[in-house]
Amino acid sequence: GAVVSQHPSRVICKSGTSVKIECRSLDFQATTMFWYRQFPKQSLMLMATSNEGSKATYEQGVEKDKFLINHASLTLSTLTVTSAHPEDSSFYICSANPWNSRGNTEAFFGQGTRLTVV
Amino acid sequence: SQQGEEDPQALSIQEGENATMNCSYKTSINNLQWYRQNSGRGLVHLILIRSNEREKHSGRLRVTLDTSKKSSSLLITASRAADTASYFCATDHSGYSTLTFGKGTMLLVSP
Repeated sequence: GAVVSQHPSRVICKSGTSVKIECRSLDFQATTMFWYRQFPKQSLMLMATSNEGSKATYEQGVEKDKFLINHASLTLSTLTVTSAHPEDSSFYICSANPWNSRGNTEAFFGQGTRLTVV
Repeated sequence: SQQGEEDPQALSIQEGENATMNCSYKTSINNLQWYRQNSGRGLVHLILIRSNEREKHSGRLRVTLDTSKKSSSLLITASRAADTASYFCATDHSGYSTLTFGKGTMLLVSP
């Protein structure tokens, strides 16, 4: 199956700093990628849809200025958590679909990034 | 987005037993998918069932879908300790892989 790589897998940062998380599709092009957030022992919540060459679409309640998304190429989307605070500590995970048209296909997920803000 | 519900929230069984997890959702779907997640790791796709399908099999997995009841079930037969993980259902309402996840079932299979 298609491979999605996410980096870093773990990051610890100080409060007030920014952290960038990368999501790469290794063997396919993805005009759309998705960013999810997962709190401990909870489900995944869609944060935003990353669109190559255009602005991301954010879900209700997700701060655009807090979670900056850039999808500059067909294989890379980045999520930057700006001015991180302890409450931003969470597991962030991205996904992509190799087929860009409506195809009822599975999504492929990255390995996830565990962010801890101290 | 409307998050689905899964039950049970936690399930503890012995190796060799079958495990059944249920998922309900609220709005019409294009497809429903089941994923597995080991603690602190990414998601692994298990099976996708389209809205016009009623049952699907993959190895030891059997998934059913009842669109009239807006529910699905995942059956793992002859469970193994390695099946211990969290299992999530996810609904795709558009067909473009924008997924709405259920709350998940934590499965513990004891040797």
